[in-house]
Amino acid sequence: AQSVAQPEDQVNVAEGNPLTVKCTYSVSGNPYLFWYVQYPNRGLQFLLKYITGDNLVKGSYGFEAEFNKSQTSFHLKKPSALVSDSALYFCAVRPPSTGRRALTFGSGTRLQVQP
Amino acid sequence: GAVVSQHPSRVICKSGTSVKIECRSLDFQATTMFWYRQFPKQSLMLMATSNEGSKATYEQGVEKDKFLINHASLTLSTLTVTSAHPEDSSFYICSVPLGQAPDTQYFGPGTRLTVL
Repeated sequence: AQSVAQPEDQVNVAEGNPLTVKCTYSVSGNPYLFWYVQYPNRGLQFLLKYITGDNLVKGSYGFEAEFNKSQTSFHLKKPSALVSDSALYFCAVRPPSTGRRALTFGSGTRLQVQP
Repeated sequence: GAVVSQHPSRVICKSGTSVKIECRSLDFQATTMFWYRQFPKQSLMLMATSNEGSKATYEQGVEKDKFLINHASLTLSTLTVTSAHPEDSSFYICSVPLGQAPDTQYFGPGTRLTVL
């Protein structure tokens, strides 16, 4: 069975500073990895996904994530945080088999960007 | 990306009543939709996979008689919470997969259910 871990419940960063939201995964084979963001009382918005190829994936709103197979990690990063980036971030994994398309989510990390 | 809507966005009901939540894919057809449940300050947990033209597939521990799913058409799936109780209060979110494998899931805005 696949699983995703987000070790930090909350990440605090000052506006303009770089941010990192951590994610590690456990899945058989090569995984498909996703990042989503959730604003209060709203559904999830897709940020980016890793399928194969370049380990650095660029996504929406200036976010990027780095796939590290040896460390089984897929950390979300942004060079310069904005106050508007404050939200709940979810890492998710889907196994490479074609049978199951649903996602397994991490517990979420709340990002707080201070002005 | 795809546009997915849910209705209602918020519902309050009395214990014992049934509540229907609609999930619509507004700009493309979807043979599969997913229903997730999110408790406050927690992650999303998959409840079931809604399949157009066939029965839904439920995750282990999810009562199929309590959470009725009907994939009425290629653009509409409904989740009915039957005989709702306060412990059913939660945020229910649907998603629609789109694109080439591995497809990206696009999520509806969610429905906040409060059972009194």
